[in-house]
Amino acid sequence: DIQMTQSPSSLSASVGDRVTITCQASQDIGKYLNWYQQKPGKAPKLLIYDASNLEPGVPSRFSGSGSRTDFTFTISSLQPEDVATYYCEQYDNPLHSFGQGTKLEIK
Amino acid sequence: QVQLVQSGAEVKKPGSSVKVSCKASGGTFSNYAISWVRQAPGQGLEWMGGIIPIFGSANYAQKFQGRVTITADESTNTAYMDLSSLTSEDTAVYYCAKTDLWGQGTPVTVSS
Repeated sequence: DIQMTQSPSSLSASVGDRVTITCQASQDIGKYLNWYQQKPGKAPKLLIYDASNLEPGVPSRFSGSGSRTDFTFTISSLQPEDVATYYCEQYDNPLHSFGQGTKLEIK
Repeated sequence: QVQLVQSGAEVKKPGSSVKVSCKASGGTFSNYAISWVRQAPGQGLEWMGGIIPIFGSANYAQKFQGRVTITADESTNTAYMDLSSLTSEDTAVYYCAKTDLWGQGTPVTVSS
């Protein structure tokens, strides 16, 4: 199975800050990478698919980049409602796997 | 609009099995990959396996090989996840998902 190494595991930032999370795959996955946001007690919500495509309805402050083994997720200007845990998921078919998650808090 | 509606909470004894269902309400999912993902209390997301109903065959994460069976019934637009030989480590919320659409989650508690 492909291993996804996500960092950092937790992050504290101020409103308005630029926030970056990274995911590294153990092998080449092309652009088969999603980014999800999960709030407590809720199912994950898709934000970015195919590494860099913004899911319709998702604010443009969220973005993704990267390919092959190295990927980045960015929030350009952190908002209070962005407090959540974020996960990357690779789907280099047929098997998927998630990163360990990044818990994002407001300073 | 399609929704994924899962079966209700389960409480199981160690050594038993659990079967969770996931019905596509308001549409069909035959052409889409359906994944099963679980989340233990306070832990991250864990992909268990998936199926594309129109093809029928499932794929499983190595960790769950031999213990999980994922099936789909196209006639009822329902997917199923069957997990056997349960231990307390299997206590978790189990989700079905179609990337941009997730079920509400099914809590499974394994306790003697």
